[in-house]
Amino acid sequence: DAGITQSPRHKVTETGTPVTLRCHQTENHRYMYWYRQDPGHGLRLIHYSYGVKDTDKGEVSDGYSVSRSKTEDFLLTLESATSSQTSVYFCAISRMDATSGNTIYFGEGSWLTVV
Amino acid sequence: GENVEQHPSTLSVQEGDSAVIKCTYSDSASNYFPWYKQELGKRPQLIIDIRSNVGEKKDQRIAVTLNKTAKHFSLHITETQPEDSAVYFCAAIILTGGGNKLTFGTGTQLKVEL
Repeated sequence: DAGITQSPRHKVTETGTPVTLRCHQTENHRYMYWYRQDPGHGLRLIHYSYGVKDTDKGEVSDGYSVSRSKTEDFLLTLESATSSQTSVYFCAISRMDATSGNTIYFGEGSWLTVV
Repeated sequence: GENVEQHPSTLSVQEGDSAVIKCTYSDSASNYFPWYKQELGKRPQLIIDIRSNVGEKKDQRIAVTLNKTAKHFSLHITETQPEDSAVYFCAAIILTGGGNKLTFGTGTQLKVEL
């Protein structure tokens, strides 16, 4: 599982409230990612990080912010949740494998419902 | 940026038959193509990958082929079993020494019927 833990795993929140999802990794990986998964869209990159305090936008970053104050934690924040942000959120890390090179591994996912 | 198209969106096969899922990509510089399997309610898990310097890779009942000229790659599952039922995602990336921002296809729901 590449030592990735996501929290919370399930959350229901109201429109307009802030929400923070946490991704914690124990293997000191430099690169971390947040993806969202929606039917018909596959997995889409929200934000990613290439080191402490180094982050960049993905293809669907509007309405989301991230922070990485230490190597092991990558936080995803919805400043004011909307119903369109109801989704499954996956954290991922990039790990160097002997045969494949840099390979992405996913956390278990966080199911977010905005009502 | 990279664009990955995946077909079909659903695929139903009889147990023991073969299944083929096809993907095309847009950026000719992409050089790494992983495939992920996702069971209901679970995380996507890497099942096989291929780099652009090879045309085919096999792992037991699973194989991936790559045609760089046509910019498409395919997943082949032989002797399908009920436990192969899942959603399969292809992805493409320009592999660098650093992080990989994978672009995913939209997924194929494979159902293996008894």
